Amino acid sequence: QVQMVESGGGAVQPGRSLRLSCAASGFSLSSYGMHWVRQAPGKGLEWVGITYYDGSKEYYADSVKGRFTISRDNSKNMVFLYMSSLRVEDTAVYYCARVLDRNDEAFAYWGQGTLVTVSS
Amino acid sequence: QSVLTQPPSASGTPGQSVTISCSGTRSNIGGNYVYWYHQVPEAAPKLLIYRNDQRPSGAPDRFSGSKSGTSASLAISGLRSEDEAHYYCATWDDSLSAWVFGGGTKLTVL
Repeated sequence: QVQMVESGGGAVQPGRSLRLSCAASGFSLSSYGMHWVRQAPGKGLEWVGITYYDGSKEYYADSVKGRFTISRDNSKNMVFLYMSSLRVEDTAVYYCARVLDRNDEAFAYWGQGTLVTVSS
Repeated sequence: QSVLTQPPSASGTPGQSVTISCSGTRSNIGGNYVYWYHQVPEAAPKLLIYRNDQRPSGAPDRFSGSKSGTSASLAISGLRSEDEAHYYCATWDDSLSAWVFGGGTKLTVL
């Protein structure tokens, strides 16, 4: 079955960097775009960005543009979120999510999430 | 402040029907599909409705979605205690070039 497992979260100081990983299984990663979505404690969902199925394009929310980078290694079924210049307001559970299909980029399947805490 | 507007809360008793609204603009709901997700505490969101009114396999037929103009709705019939969760609407926004969510509606089954 389709499954994503995120890892790499933890506590980090403001201004530092962190890389999250998303291990995908149960489908061919090279055929699907992948999102990152975050949820601050007690708050709603916020889209972070997307990487296209072949890694040719990425798009980001304005709140993270220039600081966050999404990459992928289809040969290893892995998607990454590199976060730099972290801010207190980046504190959230970060989810990776697979798109529905090649023609629909909605968030179809979600991982369990990994918590990132940015605090001094 | 979320781009899409949802009521913060909704409630009903077992067996009743409840409708959750999601309001947007021409640049988001008005021109794109709407999706609905539900999330129970300490768990990841799960797709409930896609492309306005389609249910993925495994989603109960008690849940239905609709869209009209710049608004969308999620209807839940025959409420059950396990329906207690947060519900979020989502769509693409052409002006922002971003996926946007509603603020979420907490459904309480009394």
